[in-house]
Amino acid sequence: QVQLQESGPGLVKPSETLSLTCTVSGGSFSTYYWSWIRQPPGKGLEWIGYVFYSGSTNYNPSLKSRVTMSIDTSKNQFSLKLSSVTAADTALYYCARVSAYSGNHDVFDNWGQGTLVTVSS
Amino acid sequence: DIQMTQSPSSLSASVGDRVTITCRANQSISNYLNWYQQKPGKAPKVLIYAASSLQSGVPSRFSGSGSGTDFTLTIRSLQPEDFATYYCQQSYSTQYTFGQGTKLEIK
Repeated sequence: QVQLQESGPGLVKPSETLSLTCTVSGGSFSTYYWSWIRQPPGKGLEWIGYVFYSGSTNYNPSLKSRVTMSIDTSKNQFSLKLSSVTAADTALYYCARVSAYSGNHDVFDNWGQGTLVTVSS
Repeated sequence: DIQMTQSPSSLSASVGDRVTITCRANQSISNYLNWYQQKPGKAPKVLIYAASSLQSGVPSRFSGSGSGTDFTLTIRSLQPEDFATYYCQQSYSTQYTFGQGTKLEIK
């Protein structure tokens, strides 16, 4: 059973860069897309982007100018950097695996427990 | 962007009830629609994929239907553990988007 675990600072100052890492264990790391999704307190889910094991990326257009994702296949880890953060970036950040069901239906089928990141001075 | 709109935003129901949650896309997404359940303090869990396929391990009281722009999630005979927030998500575009969620509460 694959497990995902987010790690990183829980507090980031405004205008600085939020950095998170997701460590994957218990399953194959290759051939999947690895995604970040966030959820502001009391609100809904927002997809941030994904990184493929090859290193190719795809970002939410609304965040694209501030987002960088990378992957380290030797450590079974992938990372998120979000620059120039503001209070609006305060959220629970989840990492998740994207699997292709029935050939081409992408599903977030495994999730980390989430990590709360607060943007405040 | 493909926008997903769920209705209602919240819903009160009793154990044993049948409930239906609707999700509408602002353009046709064929059957590229997934449903997730999220309980307080937990990560979302996939219930239905490809609009109507039940994820392994999910009770058969959950079902999904629809194609094109209109989709429904139906829970037959609500159980206490079903009170949660439900989200739809489209994967027609790889710019994935979620509905705003439907909170199912105990009446």
